[in-house]
Amino acid sequence: NAGVTQTPKFRVLKTGQSMTLLCAQDMNHEYMYWYRQDPGMGLRLIHYSVGEGTTAKGEVPDGYNVSRLKKQNFLLGLESAAPSQTSVYFCASRDEARGEYFGPGTRLTVT
Amino acid sequence: RKEVEQDPGPFNVPEGATVAFNCTYSNSASQSFFWYRQDCRKEPKLLMSVYSSGNEDGRFTAQLNRASQYISLLIRDSKLSDSATYLCVVKRNTGYQFYFGTGTSLTVIP
Repeated sequence: NAGVTQTPKFRVLKTGQSMTLLCAQDMNHEYMYWYRQDPGMGLRLIHYSVGEGTTAKGEVPDGYNVSRLKKQNFLLGLESAAPSQTSVYFCASRDEARGEYFGPGTRLTVT
Repeated sequence: RKEVEQDPGPFNVPEGATVAFNCTYSNSASQSFFWYRQDCRKEPKLLMSVYSSGNEDGRFTAQLNRASQYISLLIRDSKLSDSATYLCVVKRNTGYQFYFGTGTSLTVIP
């Protein structure tokens, strides 16, 4: 039981490049979330999903897209990276009773 | 106004001390409350849920005050390993979003 995994762990992009972050969970959770964490800002919700095939916008969705084609996977895409998207990205899946389980994070730098 | 507010600290306390953190939330419709712990450069991990009647888990005690809209975390007999950032998390009774505070930094000193 690996819990929540994220790939890659680190990435450096140039402005304008695209990339996809992959989140996978093996706990059969319905709800999955993508957050970004910046100093002094706390965790901010980018997008979330309440089940396979569904996605919804969070607090800071601009510049990101997501897909949930399979229940266990939640992908976060950056179509044209900007320096403002330099951050640590966390994926989480939720257990109704016990809150959220987080992946180890992806550290993204956009130059 | 932020959904969740915490004193960022830092709190620097000696081993064995008792330390308490407070967190306030702005939406009275909030229903679920949690404390998470986050170590440096790691992911947040659930420390404990907070129940209306208050609850205890070993050296950790969480309290909820709905009238004043705040939750607290008390750590007794602090250990060096308690050094971390503690995040207050709130969920409303509608919707799917969890709201995170910016965290309170704790350093336990030998």
